[in-house]
Amino acid sequence: KAGVTQTPRYLIKTRGQQVTLSCSPISGHRSVSWYQQTPGQGLQFLFEYFSETQRNKGNFPGRFSGRQFSNSRSEMNVSTLELGDSALYLCASMGSTEAFFGQGTRLTVV
Amino acid sequence: GIQVEQSPPDLILQEGANSTLRCNFSDSVNNLQWFHQNPWGQLINLFYIPSGTKQNGRLSATTVATERYSLLYISSSQTTDSGVYFCAVEGGSSASKIIFGSGTRLSIRP
Repeated sequence: KAGVTQTPRYLIKTRGQQVTLSCSPISGHRSVSWYQQTPGQGLQFLFEYFSETQRNKGNFPGRFSGRQFSNSRSEMNVSTLELGDSALYLCASMGSTEAFFGQGTRLTVV
Repeated sequence: GIQVEQSPPDLILQEGANSTLRCNFSDSVNNLQWFHQNPWGQLINLFYIPSGTKQNGRLSATTVATERYSLLYISSSQTTDSGVYFCAVEGGSSASKIIFGSGTRLSIRP
């Protein structure tokens, strides 16, 4: 059974650019959540998608957006990147009880 | 929303020692998980334990839901146990999103 796949693993972008991160959940899981991890703020919830609908959203500006496709794969997009967006972005594939995380995408904004 | 506090924030031990990590949460929860974050950033599932006690090898965990705390025990520590341990909960007004504690950084010295 394949795990949670996040691509790309590493990314370097310039301030003002936009970025799209991808997450393929575990087969059969319909819910995907996204988290941002920074040294100062810890692990913070971004949003959750279930069956292509955003079900919950954290306290992040509108520059952060996401979507989910019919095959449950999810993407998150960050527009007009700022230096403070540099972080590890983790995707969780939500089972009936447990969450399983991908290896993350480490984004560096320069 | 639910508040999650972990203690201690840092723990340095010699190989072979035992340790206890604590997680306090401020409201009733439907879901509680313990994770170990490896040096590459991936969150590894240790336990799904909203209540009761579980054991897996040298690791065990206990959650006392009525008193709103969970404990993670690591016995006979090995250097490979080093890393950050997170407690994460879901429940109450935070349903469908996981709230993480700030983690315990464990360093095992040979």
